[in-house]
Amino acid sequence: AQSVTQLDSQVPVFEEAPVELRCNYSSSVSVYLFWYVQYPNQGLQLLLKYLSGSTLVESINGFEAEFNKSQTSFHLRKPSVHISDTAEYFCAVSYNTNAGKSTFGDGTTLTVKP
Amino acid sequence: DTGVSQNPRHKITKRGQNVTFRCDPISEHNRLYWYRQTLGQGPEFLTYFQNEAQLEKSRLLSDRFSAERPKGSFSTLEIQRTEQGDSAMYLCASSPRGGRESSYNEQFFGPGTRLTVL
Repeated sequence: AQSVTQLDSQVPVFEEAPVELRCNYSSSVSVYLFWYVQYPNQGLQLLLKYLSGSTLVESINGFEAEFNKSQTSFHLRKPSVHISDTAEYFCAVSYNTNAGKSTFGDGTTLTVKP
Repeated sequence: DTGVSQNPRHKITKRGQNVTFRCDPISEHNRLYWYRQTLGQGPEFLTYFQNEAQLEKSRLLSDRFSAERPKGSFSTLEIQRTEQGDSAMYLCASSPRGGRESSYNEQFFGPGTRLTVL
């Protein structure tokens, strides 16, 4: 079965510290990978995506993620976090089929403390 | 606003009642997805449409659930005889029409409908 594992359910960090949110997936076929952010009582917002090409992808607000095929990982990193980054982060995988549906991890709550 | 919209945003109902949610996708998107998100978990796929055709349904979608997209635009999700276990956030997403296969996998999510069954 297809699955996504987010290794940390909660990650507390201090403002301006670096952070890494870990994500592993199971697959034996080509995948597309996504990170979404969810603020309280809101829907999901796409943070960044890997479809093909360069294995390092970046978002406009300083996050980056690296696709590692051999380790089946897609960890999310940011070198210096802000209070406003406090949110729930979801890793998702979509397989190279015509369905386009995504399988999500259970999420990581990032709490940035002053 | 040209994003995905969902109505209502919140619904409180008593066990045994029927509820219906609506999703309006981004206008040029031909794929529409429904997900369910319970507290502390990520979204789980329920079903999806390409235009008006419902192409896949998850085993999570019991006989009490039905979804329609009659004209290939908005979609409705109905839950009959609601149970307390149906309490969740119901998310709708749409995906654009595109010539490249990769465009089929980028989904745009609505704000969700939070259902509480008492």
